[in-house]
Amino acid sequence: KAGVTQTPRYLIKTRGQQVTLSCSPISGHRSVSWYQQTPGQGLQFLFEYFSETQRNKGNFPGRFSGRQFSNSRSEMNVSTLELGDSALYLCASSRPLEDNSPLHFGNGTRLTVT
Amino acid sequence: GNSVTQMEGPVTLSEEAFLTINCTYTATGYPSLFWYVQYPGEGLQLLLKATKADDKGSNKGFEATYRKETTSFHLEKGSVQVSDSAVYFCALNPGGFKTIFGAGTRLFVKA
Repeated sequence: KAGVTQTPRYLIKTRGQQVTLSCSPISGHRSVSWYQQTPGQGLQFLFEYFSETQRNKGNFPGRFSGRQFSNSRSEMNVSTLELGDSALYLCASSRPLEDNSPLHFGNGTRLTVT
Repeated sequence: GNSVTQMEGPVTLSEEAFLTINCTYTATGYPSLFWYVQYPGEGLQLLLKATKADDKGSNKGFEATYRKETTSFHLEKGSVQVSDSAVYFCALNPGGFKTIFGAGTRLFVKA
């Protein structure tokens, strides 16, 4: 069974640009969660989608947005990039979280903003 | 609110030593508890889980017991190997649409 696939693995952008990250979940998983990982802040929850609906959102500015498609694939977008957005962005898929399901993570997209 | 607190690292041990990584939580209701492990350059992997009080999760020699009376879920392993060097995250799902992670504990195991 294929795991969670995130593309691209690495991105370098300049301040003010925007970026789109992609996540393909494990087949049959309809929940996709996104996290930002930095050395100082650890793993910060961005949002969770289930069947194309955003069910939960973390405490991030509106520059961070996401969506989920009918095939459960998900994208997140960051507009007007800031230096502080440099981080590893992790996507995780699961069966419904409310069923105590564990997360299955991709290897992440490393974003560097210069 | 819901939160997870785990011991600060790094933890440095010699091969075959006993490992304990402390984790305590704050949550309403009856959360599910998890330990995840992250190796360099990779995402997190589920190590073990427990969904109710007194459950013991175990995998690859690691164990953790869900202690509701002390709100703890400490990770233990009787004999660590160099290959266990990684960052370990304690996490909880309080029953909603979000998994909450601790800050992570880096483990170094010396040969």
